[in-house]
Amino acid sequence: GQSLEQPSEVTAVEGAIVQINCTYQTSGFYGLSWYQQHDGGAPTFLSYNALDGLEETGRFSSFLSRSDSYGYLLLQELQMKDSASYFCAVSEAAGNKLTFGGGTRVLVKP
Amino acid sequence: GAGVSQSPSNKVTEKGKDVELRCDPISGHTALYWYRQRLGQGLEFLIYFQGNSAPDKSGLPSDRFSAERTGESVSTLTIQRTQQEDSAVYLCASSLGDAYSYEQYFGPGTRLTVT
Repeated sequence: GQSLEQPSEVTAVEGAIVQINCTYQTSGFYGLSWYQQHDGGAPTFLSYNALDGLEETGRFSSFLSRSDSYGYLLLQELQMKDSASYFCAVSEAAGNKLTFGGGTRVLVKP
Repeated sequence: GAGVSQSPSNKVTEKGKDVELRCDPISGHTALYWYRQRLGQGLEFLIYFQGNSAPDKSGLPSDRFSAERTGESVSTLTIQRTQQEDSAVYLCASSLGDAYSYEQYFGPGTRLTVT
């Protein structure tokens, strides 16, 4: 079956760095995506990795190791507005459906 | 431009009734996806439409669930004989659906409560 594992909750203070790990076991793999979802809101796209290595987008970076079936999302210079749930998701083909992890709730404290 | 829209935003129904949820994707997006999200959990894939290809229905949990899409436009998700376990937020997403598109754009969801 398909499974993605990520921590359920992380707490950090403003200005800190948080790393959210994601390990996956899927029958196929095309890419790993990350989505952010604020309470009551829609998921919004953050980052995508299809190849090994680090992708940097402002304060957020995402890493992928295909050989280890592992990736992470790095949140730097945490701000209060970063308090949200973060989901990793695997796609098995271009433009295809996503299989999501259970989400990591990030709580940023002053 | 307009994003993905869904209606209704909230739906309360009695157990055993049928419900119909609507999704309007972003214009020009050939791919459309339905997901279900139970409280505090991740998103579960339900069904995926890509252009004129046969839909991928592999995520539908039972034959009470069905979905249609009119061309590359509106989609409706129908749940027949609703059960309390169907209570969840139903999210629709769309994407360009080509070989280079990986970002899915989500609508605000329909919160379904079955009493």
